[in-house]
Formats: sequence, structure tokens, C-alpha cells
Amino acid sequence: DVKVTQSSRYLVKRTGEKVFLECVQDMDHENMFWYRQDPGLGLRLIYFSYDVKMKEKGDIPEGYSVSREKKERFSLILESASTNQTSMYLCATTPTGRGETQYFGPGTRLLVL
Amino acid sequence: SQQGEEDPQALSIQEGENATMNCSYKTSINNLQWYRQNSGRGLVHLILIRSNEREKHSGRLRVTLDTSKKSSSLLITASRAADTASYFCATVRGSTLGRLYFGRGTQLTVWP
Repeated sequence: DVKVTQSSRYLVKRTGEKVFLECVQDMDHENMFWYRQDPGLGLRLIYFSYDVKMKEKGDIPEGYSVSREKKERFSLILESASTNQTSMYLCATTPTGRGETQYFGPGTRLLVL
Repeated sequence: SQQGEEDPQALSIQEGENATMNCSYKTSINNLQWYRQNSGRGLVHLILIRSNEREKHSGRLRVTLDTSKKSSSLLITASRAADTASYFCATVRGSTLGRLYFGRGTQLTVWP
């Protein structure tokens, strides 16, 4: 079974803090994705990575950056957290870039005060 | 830039009834996938249908795809209370490095 873990289930941060969300997968998948999910808006892609040190912007990259130094780990960074980044953050992986099934982590619910 | 749009936004039925959810999309696709999300959890993949397929079954799930109408449907037969969840369709376009384009989802509630 593919296992995708996220560093925290719940996180509370203050405005202006730098926030790190980590995602780790154990199946040697090439592609990893970060989404945010807000009520009524569905899932929106923030960034994704198709190889170590490679990244692509998604639909809403502003205010975020990512890091992929090792194949199994994909980090989402909020450089200076703002209240409008309060959301559910979901990480996903897929074996290659051919559009197969994505495997999701349990999600991190982030509250920025 | 959501690709899919699910219909209805919310569906409420009794146990034992069938649940049908629809998804429409705008551009040509390689495949279309359905996912389920229990409240506050990650998404779980249910079924993938390729653009050259018209129908696919998996247990109590039946998915159809009509590429001429750019639409898909997910049918859950003999629904159970445990099927209560949000259901999302997601599409894969051409050379997009495996990214999915999700709709906003249908919230299904199955009453015992």
C-alpha cells in the first residue's frame, strides 16, 4: 500500500510566521502535489514536482514556495503566513507524469491567527 | 481553472437507494477519475475511466463517460450510510505532467 504522510493534522500559526508543511511518501513516486481545499472551491493546485529539485507552479502559487531535495519528501512553505491561507492542505503523489491515480495524505488543517 | 463541475452540489438519499452524480468538463481529456473524501480526511481514488472507454464498473460503482458531451456520471447502487462523503471528479489533459483538474464536488448524505 502506498503511504503518504503529512507532518501535522492540525496546525495553528500567527500572521507573519514562516510555516513548513511536509509530505513524505514511501513508494518511490516521481510526482508530488500540494493542494489547498476550501469550502465551495474544491481542490486547487498550489505547486507540484515531477523530480527532485524540479517544481512547477499550479493555479495559486502566490504566497507559497516548495522544496524537493529528496524524492520522498515534498515541502510546502508559507513564507509569511496570512489569515487568507487558513485552509486544508492536501499532499498527493503519483508514480509518473502519465496521469494515473493520485494517492493523498490525510491533510493538514492550518489556522492562521 | 477547475476543469470539472459536479452536479448536484448536494444529494441526500435513503439507504438502499441509488445515487447518481454527474460531472461535466470543458476540454479534451486523457482520462477522468472519481475520488471520495470522508469529512476532514484525504481523498481516496475510486475509479479511472480512459477517454476511449464508455463504461466501467467496480463493485457497487458504475462510471460512464461521454466524450462527445464532455460529461461523466458516477452511480452508486444500493447506497449505505457509510457511503456518506464528498465525491469529486478529476480530469487529466494531454501533457500536463500528471496533474489533475478537480471539480468542486458533490456532498452525498445517505440516511439510515
